[in-house]
Amino acid sequence: EPEVTQTPSHQVTQMGQEVILRCVPISNHLYFYWYRQILGQKVEFLVSFYNNEISEKSEIFDDQFSVERPDGSNFTLKIRSTKLEDSAMYFCARGGIRQGLGYTFGSGTRLTVV
Amino acid sequence: SQQGEEDPQALSIQEGENATMNCSYKTSINNLQWYRQNSGRGLVHLILIRSNEREKHSGRLRVTLDTSKKSSSLLITASRAADTASYFCATADLPSGGYQKVTFGTGTKLQVIP
Repeated sequence: EPEVTQTPSHQVTQMGQEVILRCVPISNHLYFYWYRQILGQKVEFLVSFYNNEISEKSEIFDDQFSVERPDGSNFTLKIRSTKLEDSAMYFCARGGIRQGLGYTFGSGTRLTVV
Repeated sequence: SQQGEEDPQALSIQEGENATMNCSYKTSINNLQWYRQNSGRGLVHLILIRSNEREKHSGRLRVTLDTSKKSSSLLITASRAADTASYFCATADLPSGGYQKVTFGTGTKLQVIP
């Protein structure tokens, strides 16, 4: 069983629609992260989340993005009004750096905005 | 240049040969990590080396870190076709509490020809 599960694996949405990407990190870690990777490009940091609050966000993470941990287990990334350039793989990760384990990433959600 | 630049960008070798990938970075770090990504899939953590370490081994992987040159290398010995993937270095900045943001490099695409 994967330690970080992301759903859906692939989502196609119309431009302007809202999408919610979900992540279930199976652990008691406090630190969670969202990254994205536009096809063929580098993995970019979006936001880090600690103890139910945003601890850091990048310039990519503008007002159309939000993160929540609504029920203490699921960790969601919401994109309010999708644009074509939001098409990418979105990865959720939980921390493990203190234990020398690096991040544990989910398998990602491929978002296609049409 | 960006934090975490790998070279070469692409590498093609015969099965059985060794593969060496290099990573350079700009700022002070707490640790450096290497990840692997199969095409269209998530990132898998391979190895983490802390700033006070110079070399680390894990199976067929050998990682070196030279903090004076702000560079790291990943060596895969006796490569196999299954090693074909993209490899990313990622630097973790100095921790604030338990939190560390990881910044990914541009990646090296490795192809191992059977």
